[in-house]
Amino acid sequence: RKEVEQDPGPFNVPEGATVAFNCTYSNSASQSFFWYRQDCRKEPKLLMSVYSSGNEDGRFTAQLNRASQYISLLIRDSKLSDSATYLCVVIHSGYSTLTFGKGTMLLVSP
Amino acid sequence: EPEVTQTPSHQVTQMGQEVILRCVPISNHLYFYWYRQILGQKVEFLVSFYNNEISEKSEIFDDQFSVERPDGSNFTLKIRSTKLEDSAMYFCASSESSPGAYGYTFGSGTRLTVV
Repeated sequence: RKEVEQDPGPFNVPEGATVAFNCTYSNSASQSFFWYRQDCRKEPKLLMSVYSSGNEDGRFTAQLNRASQYISLLIRDSKLSDSATYLCVVIHSGYSTLTFGKGTMLLVSP
Repeated sequence: EPEVTQTPSHQVTQMGQEVILRCVPISNHLYFYWYRQILGQKVEFLVSFYNNEISEKSEIFDDQFSVERPDGSNFTLKIRSTKLEDSAMYFCASSESSPGAYGYTFGSGTRLTVV
């Protein structure tokens, strides 16, 4: 079964904290990986793609471990505006569809 | 920044009625998708559409559902004989090419409430 698993949270952190989210996927043939962000009752928005070598975009760092089928997202210096649900998303080989995890909720407080 | 536009933003319908959800994908995109999200649940794939035909569909996308690209800009999802469990947020998405590297752009969604 093609599944993407995430800790639902919520993660409650103060402003300025560093927080990490993890995600595991069950299909070893998965080929593309993303982190999306979803605000309450809004559409998912692409945060960043995840590459095998790891990649960074400002305060956000994504890592992929294909051997362990594990993806991570690190957010440094958390802002109030980072409060949202973070969705781990994969595309399985041979498909163009996105398989979503249920998401991890982040709450950043003053 | 180009957007995927969905209308209406909220649709209330009686059980058993038919609804049509409308989407205008980004103009140079070639791949179109419908996803849904039941409240509190994960986003689920329904159907993908390329070159004027369905390219993939999930087990959710049964005979109750159909998609159409009636003209060069609109992409519609029709739900026949709606059921209470069809209540969800329906997201349209599009991508310029195979989304392997870049993912999709989602519309802001239509909240469907079946009463």
